Formats: sequence, C-alpha cells, structure tokens
Amino acid sequence: DTGVSQDPRHKITKRGQNVTFRCDPISEHNRLYWYRQTLGQGPEFLTYFQNEAQLEKSRLLSDRFSAERPKGSFSTLEIQRTEQGDSAMYLCASSPRRDMNTEAFFGQGTRLTVV
Amino acid sequence: QQQVKQSPQSLIVQKGGISIINCAYENTAFDYFPWYQQFPGKGPALLIAIRPDVSEKKEGRFTISFNKSAKQFSLHIMDSQPGDSATYFCAASNREGSSNTGKLIFGQGTTLQVKP
Repeated sequence: DTGVSQDPRHKITKRGQNVTFRCDPISEHNRLYWYRQTLGQGPEFLTYFQNEAQLEKSRLLSDRFSAERPKGSFSTLEIQRTEQGDSAMYLCASSPRRDMNTEAFFGQGTRLTVV
Repeated sequence: QQQVKQSPQSLIVQKGGISIINCAYENTAFDYFPWYQQFPGKGPALLIAIRPDVSEKKEGRFTISFNKSAKQFSLHIMDSQPGDSATYFCAASNREGSSNTGKLIFGQGTTLQVKP
C-alpha cells in the first residue's frame, strides 16, 4: 500500500471550466476527508465520508462543489464553473477509525490554478 | 469556537537550538491535538499527537506540552536540524461521540527555518 493517492497533482484551468479531482484512500480506510489549503494557510475542512455516505459538509463547500464516494472506495471532488478564488491545494485524507489513537493520512494534494 | 490560533507565523533557529511553536484553542470539546509537518509540494504528515488527559508527550526530539486549563499546547523541537525546516501545523479534533466526524481544525501554520 503506497498511501493516499491523488490525481492529478496539478491542474490549470480557465475560469468557468469544470474540474474533477480523484482521491484513492488507503485500502480499507472507511473514513475519507477533503480539505482545501490556500497559500500560507492551514488546511480547511470541506467534507467527510464514512464509507459511501457523505456525513458532513463545510459551509466552504458552495453549491458549485460536489463530492462523491461511490462504493466507499475512491472519491471525486468536482468544482463547476471555477473561479479564481478556487485556486488552492485540495487535500484528501483517510483513516480507518475515528478514535483517539488513529491518525489521518494525507495525500500529496492536487494543486488547482484557475486563470 | 472552532478556531485554533498558532504562533509564530515564522521562526528561524540555529542548528542545535530549540524550536517552540504555540497553539491556543477555544472549543473545550476538542479531545485530540496533533501536530503535522509539511514540506513544499507534499501533504501534511503526522508528527506527534496528544490527548488532553496528559500534560506532556515526547517522541524523540519532539515534545508536546499541553495546558488544559489555559487551552494551550505547544511543540518543542530539541536539537533542531536543517532537515526540520518545514511548515508545522497544530490541529484539534473532537473524536468522542458517535456524531463526531473526527475532522481536523488546523492552525495557520509556522514556517520553520533551521540555519546550519
């Protein structure tokens, strides 16, 4: 197992275009998180899946954003009608449990640039 | 109530010195306090974490000090090395309770430079 995998690593898109990112969590990790990190800031929580169920969404996740996790395996994050303010690093993390002693493992992220 | 405030924003330390980064939180329901290390172009990686029932945790050169009454915790890096140069994030999470998702609330980050 090579850890959490995100694809693509970099994406440049024109304003108004739609983009989709993929996250493959560590196998058998039933918990999956998406975060957004802008330059010079800490990651901010976007949404959480437990298996295939999306159980929490941040207010940061506007209606232009949608996330899915079909079959409780990989997840996709789609941004419609991208805006320059969407430029950020999008991070995915997974963990096997929620308890005290379980860490969340992060992928290397997808850096989105909207021009 | 969900904020975690981190300071300083940047830190320069000589090789062999002690690096100290501080965080403060507001939500008393937080019960898990990790520190993450992030190198440029990489995702954050867990460095060390503490629960609120202990006041200190040490792993190698890294120590977390936790003050529950003050709602503060800090990371100490002893014998700092140039390879420690990275961005460090404190975080907090609420893990107890079936309705909690375990999401992490991050501080703003501290860029550490260790000079040789």
